Amino acid sequence: GENVEQHPSTLSVQEGDSAVIKCTYSDSASNYFPWYKQELGKRPQLIIDIRSNVGEKKDQRIAVTLNKTAKHFSLHITETQPEDSAVYFCAAGNKLTFGGGTRVLVKP
Amino acid sequence: NAGVTQTPKFRVLKTGQSMTLLCAQDMNHEYMYWYRQDPGMGLRLIHYSVGEGTTAKGEVPDGYNVSRLKKQNFLLGLESAAPSQTSVYFCASSYSIDPPGPAYEQYFGPGTRLTVT
Repeated sequence: GENVEQHPSTLSVQEGDSAVIKCTYSDSASNYFPWYKQELGKRPQLIIDIRSNVGEKKDQRIAVTLNKTAKHFSLHITETQPEDSAVYFCAAGNKLTFGGGTRVLVKP
Repeated sequence: NAGVTQTPKFRVLKTGQSMTLLCAQDMNHEYMYWYRQDPGMGLRLIHYSVGEGTTAKGEVPDGYNVSRLKKQNFLLGLESAAPSQTSVYFCASSYSIDPPGPAYEQYFGPGTRLTVT
């Protein structure tokens, strides 16, 4: 089955700086890679996803890059704001195996 | 649309007791999933269903049973609760399970916080 590793487990950034979270996966057949944001006490919500036929995707301050050869993908948040503070999860595989999560804290 | 709903929101059980968690979705999704989330950890798939009347095991199925008698409902049962099953349980649903498809996003319910003492 799929195995997804996510780093770092915690990330503290100054407001306005960029944040980068990296994930690696094991199954070369995986072709869908979503990122979910989970605020404290809330449900996970999709913020961006990328499919294997695309190397990069952007949505305002959020971007995701995918390197299928190396089997890793990354989430980039630019110009971070306090409301970006949350736990972020990457996932991969047909039944979505999730990474362990990254707790992001944006300090004002 | 209510999306994905879960009942109950909170529950405390004693070791050995049984209970059923109900998940309902009104988006006409074929696929439904049950996850558990433990502190500081990601979501782990317990069981899933690819359509009415079907169920399949996920990553951590032991101690749980599921049923999908109606397309819109997915039930998770604990026959004999154990303290190790203390967790937050999330249900999710999606249009398809094999990407890339026109819609694959998983929509999550609000979660059920279960404590087993």
